Amino acid sequence: DAGVTQSPTHLIKTRGQQVTLRCSPKSGHDTVSWYQQALGQGPQFIFQYYEEEERQRGNFPDRFSGHQFPNYSSELNVNALLLGDSALYLCASSLNLRNYGYTFGSGTRLTVV
Amino acid sequence: DQQVKQNSPSLSVQEGRISILNCDYTNSMFDYFLWYKKYPAEGPTFLISISSIKDKNEDGRFTVFLNKSAKHLSLHIVPSQPGDSAVYFCAATIAGGTSYGKLTFGQGTILTVHP
Repeated sequence: DAGVTQSPTHLIKTRGQQVTLRCSPKSGHDTVSWYQQALGQGPQFIFQYYEEEERQRGNFPDRFSGHQFPNYSSELNVNALLLGDSALYLCASSLNLRNYGYTFGSGTRLTVV
Repeated sequence: DQQVKQNSPSLSVQEGRISILNCDYTNSMFDYFLWYKKYPAEGPTFLISISSIKDKNEDGRFTVFLNKSAKHLSLHIVPSQPGDSAVYFCAATIAGGTSYGKLTFGQGTILTVHP
């Protein structure tokens, strides 16, 4: 049973560019959340998607946006990249909106130069 | 504002002994707490959780204790094994209301268990 799949695993972007990260949730899960983990810190909540809508949002600027597709997969988009956006981006899925049994993916390591 | 804090960046214990990882929180609205373990190059893995209506929850070698008045929780691992060496994150959330689904994590504690 495949868990949460994220792509790509690593990428390098230049300041000012835009990036799209992708996530396929665990089979049977319909809720997807995104987290940013800076070096030496715990994951920080970006937003959560359910039924193709953003349901919760953390303290992140509008440069961070997302999407959920009918098959429950999700994308995280970041525009106008800053050096401070360099981090590990984690996707987590759960059975439904109120279920806390999150399964995390291995993450996408984004480096902005 | 760090609402969940793990004040010990690292902990080293001998195999077979007890590991105690601590976590403090400031938001009194938090009512559900979780511990995750993370190995390098992998995502966090759920370990154990506790609701604020309890003060203890056990699962095999792992026990979580919650002291609501002190806004403190701890994870006990007995006995510790070398395979437990990982980064441990404490997380908190508000199970009801409009903030459900948002986990607030601590900074993590690196546990090293020596053979």
